[in-house]
Amino acid sequence: EDQVTQSPEALRLQEGESSSLNCSYTVSGLRGLFWYRQDPGKGPEFLFTLYSAGEEKEKERLKATLTKKESFLHITAPKPEDSATYLCAVQAEEGNNFNKFYFGSGTKLNVKP
Amino acid sequence: NAGVTQTPKFRVLKTGQSMTLLCAQDMNHEYMYWYRQDPGMGLRLIHYSVGEGTTAKGEVPDGYNVSRLKKQNFLLGLESAAPSQTSVYFCASRLTQGEGNTEAFFGQGTRLTVV
Repeated sequence: EDQVTQSPEALRLQEGESSSLNCSYTVSGLRGLFWYRQDPGKGPEFLFTLYSAGEEKEKERLKATLTKKESFLHITAPKPEDSATYLCAVQAEEGNNFNKFYFGSGTKLNVKP
Repeated sequence: NAGVTQTPKFRVLKTGQSMTLLCAQDMNHEYMYWYRQDPGMGLRLIHYSVGEGTTAKGEVPDGYNVSRLKKQNFLLGLESAAPSQTSVYFCASRLTQGEGNTEAFFGQGTRLTVV
């Protein structure tokens, strides 16, 4: 069964303390891996798309990487405004259906000043 | 440019009541989705649509119906609400199935409580 697992469930960091969030997946026929940020009471906001192993993308203090089995979201010198829940989603190919997106349950990040 | 707009934002229903959630997008996207988000379970796909007049079942379709009569609107209906349908519902839209612009844009969510 296709599955997306994120770890840790929650992460508390001091401002400036770098760390990484993990998203491991077991879907077959990966079409894309997506990272989203979700603030309390709001919808997910798109961050990155990764398509193939070895690909990396950066945005401000965030850097996403992809291997054949997992993706990492690296947060460098985080600030309190980076506090949010980070969601990972994978788009799997199932026959001619490219519309299957499987979401992980997210990592709740809390950055303390 | 409003993006994806969901109405209502909050609703309390009694068991057995019916309601319709409306999702509207102004980005001319072909694909639209309805998800529910429950604590510890991530986002689960209820139904989706690949274009005007089309709908398809997702992971958890039971108890829900959908319609896409207009390209910009995607309606989610609950015919007889149950407490198990208490959740936060998100609508999303996506431009195309191709390699580019495949990310989904989400609405702000509808928090539904069934008592």
